[in-house]
Amino acid sequence: GNSVTQMEGPVTLSEEAFLTINCTYTATGYPSLFWYVQYPGEGLQLLLKATKADDKGSNKGFEATYRKETTSFHLEKGSVQVSDSAVYFCALSDRDYKLSFGAGTTVTVRA
Amino acid sequence: GAVVSQHPSRVICKSGTSVKIECRSLDFQATTMFWYRQFPKQSLMLMATSNEGSKATYEQGVEKDKFLINHASLTLSTLTVTSAHPEDSSFYICSASLGGGYTFGSGTRLTVV
Repeated sequence: GNSVTQMEGPVTLSEEAFLTINCTYTATGYPSLFWYVQYPGEGLQLLLKATKADDKGSNKGFEATYRKETTSFHLEKGSVQVSDSAVYFCALSDRDYKLSFGAGTTVTVRA
Repeated sequence: GAVVSQHPSRVICKSGTSVKIECRSLDFQATTMFWYRQFPKQSLMLMATSNEGSKATYEQGVEKDKFLINHASLTLSTLTVTSAHPEDSSFYICSASLGGGYTFGSGTRLTVV
């Protein structure tokens, strides 16, 4: 079946530091890949997505590239802000449109 | 943008009672909604897929008599946890598929005492 393995947290960074959250997946076929973010007290929001190999999703300074050869979709941001403190989820969807999530990574950015 | 409203955000109930969680699509019609459960420090696990006007499809290992799902209209899906026990305490989240993406509710923290 499908599965997503995500870097364990928590991750604590200083403002303007570089952030990487690793995500690898196992799937049959060619899934779509997503990063969702959950800010404190809020629901999940789509951060970015990629639907095919070599696609790069980007939003709010975050980027992730769909790497089929390494089955990875690592999330990166060059300079984090305090407002980026949240829980980040890597996910994939299959042909039935069901989402499989990683465990989530809690990121805390300190001023 | 598309909004899914989920209520209540928190609920505490006594063992043996039932709790209903509502999920409404506010500005679009949701033919399909998904219900997830999240244990502390763990991933969101899909419980069931809810289709308007038909029976929900449950994932393996999820008790359909325990977690009753009703999707009677295109804007409302409900999850009822029946005869709740402390092990049902968890974070429940609904989502709706829309245009190739997904919109999530803000979740419900259920505590059974």
